[in-house]
Amino acid sequence: GQQLNQSPQSMFIQEGEDVSMNCTSSSIFNTWLWYKQDPGEGPVLLIALYKAGELTSNGRLTAQFGITRKDSFLNISASIPSDVGIYFCAGRRTNRDDKIIFGKGTRLHILP
Amino acid sequence: EADIYQTPRYLVIGTGKKITLECSQTMGHDKMYWYQQDPGMELHLIHYSYGVNSTEKGDLSSESTVSRIRTEHFPLTLESARPSHTSQYLCASSEYYPLGDRNYEQYFGPGTRLTVT
Repeated sequence: GQQLNQSPQSMFIQEGEDVSMNCTSSSIFNTWLWYKQDPGEGPVLLIALYKAGELTSNGRLTAQFGITRKDSFLNISASIPSDVGIYFCAGRRTNRDDKIIFGKGTRLHILP
Repeated sequence: EADIYQTPRYLVIGTGKKITLECSQTMGHDKMYWYQQDPGMELHLIHYSYGVNSTEKGDLSSESTVSRIRTEHFPLTLESARPSHTSQYLCASSEYYPLGDRNYEQYFGPGTRLTVT
């Protein structure tokens, strides 16, 4: 089946550092989504990308839809303690395909 | 802010018991979904619904069943819980555009963490 390869699997950073994570697929996707999940909670949608090459920001978060439509990345600038959590990429192959596929997540840890 | 609710948030139950996990949304969304997520792992779709009286199986086989009698309510039932059912169950909802001419993202509830002993 289709898979999304998300990396890195986990990150340990200092507060204030910038963070970068990415998601790749062997298949073309029409939509890329980035979610954040806090412990014991459901995922919360951070950014949605609908066009190849699209670059979208949400506060300190920036995500891009890769030109090849097979990848996406998420950057977090000047990390703060509340950024800790699991970041999931997700993709949808077509507009009519309302099912989405999730990556395995990137676990972000911030060192004191 | 999404208005989607799940109860209970945590449930510990013995093997063989029948359980129902509740999910309700107040956004008037037609589509609803159930995902299963093991701790720290990716989400797997187990059931979804296009609207009232519609239920479909997802990508991951599950022994659970669902019903959709009202738009806002999408309960999940396990007739006989087993330890292998221990997991987090996440409900989500979205709008539905059959012509595929709009984007419709999923909003998630807080989840129910189920432990079967």
